[in-house]
Amino acid sequence: AQSVTQLDSHVSVSEGTPVLLRCNYSSSYSPSLFWYVQHPNKGLQLLLKYTSAATLVKGINGFEAEFKKSETSFHLTKPSAHMSDAAEYFCVVTTRGDSWGKFQFGAGTQVVVTP
Amino acid sequence: SQTIHQWPATLVQPVGSPLSLECTVEGTSNPNLYWYRQAAGRGLQLLFYSVGIGQISSEVPQNLSASRPQDRQFILSSKKLLLSDSGFYLCAWAPTGTANYGYTFGSGTRLTVV
Repeated sequence: AQSVTQLDSHVSVSEGTPVLLRCNYSSSYSPSLFWYVQHPNKGLQLLLKYTSAATLVKGINGFEAEFKKSETSFHLTKPSAHMSDAAEYFCVVTTRGDSWGKFQFGAGTQVVVTP
Repeated sequence: SQTIHQWPATLVQPVGSPLSLECTVEGTSNPNLYWYRQAAGRGLQLLFYSVGIGQISSEVPQNLSASRPQDRQFILSSKKLLLSDSGFYLCAWAPTGTANYGYTFGSGTRLTVV
């Protein structure tokens, strides 16, 4: 069984300040972890993924995430928020090597960026 | 490169009318295909997935059905829409055999049942 918990439903940051989106996971087997971003009325775009290589993963648009097995966490960070980062973010877990590809989505974190 | 197309982008349908949403993938063969629904204020709910032509697995029993008549075509249907079918529908694909590459999503269909 696997599950994912996004600890904040809403995050508000000022432009130019750091962004932290928290995600904890539970998985019976070795997990693969992903972060997706969704702008209003758009599909989901993959930001980054962890699949067993380096624990610090760099993604698009300056985002990065660190896989911490001891803490079962995969938090998403960005050093400096931009207005275009305002969107909803989803943390996703699946079992590595799962041929069915059934992903478990978190409930999402809505990010608001203020000028 | 691979692309995924989903249409229509928006749809307003009366209660009791039929539904057909289509999704096609280009540039890959034998993909895993998925239909998700995102209702207002709720997360993503997996509706159906398919690992091959004619192979459909349903995650949530409901008013909807899915079909895969061709390798890279995935269709979501309903015979009679309910108000509760309103939502944002997303099609996605992943390479066959492994989930490690993540999903690639279509641009979504906003369905409003009135």
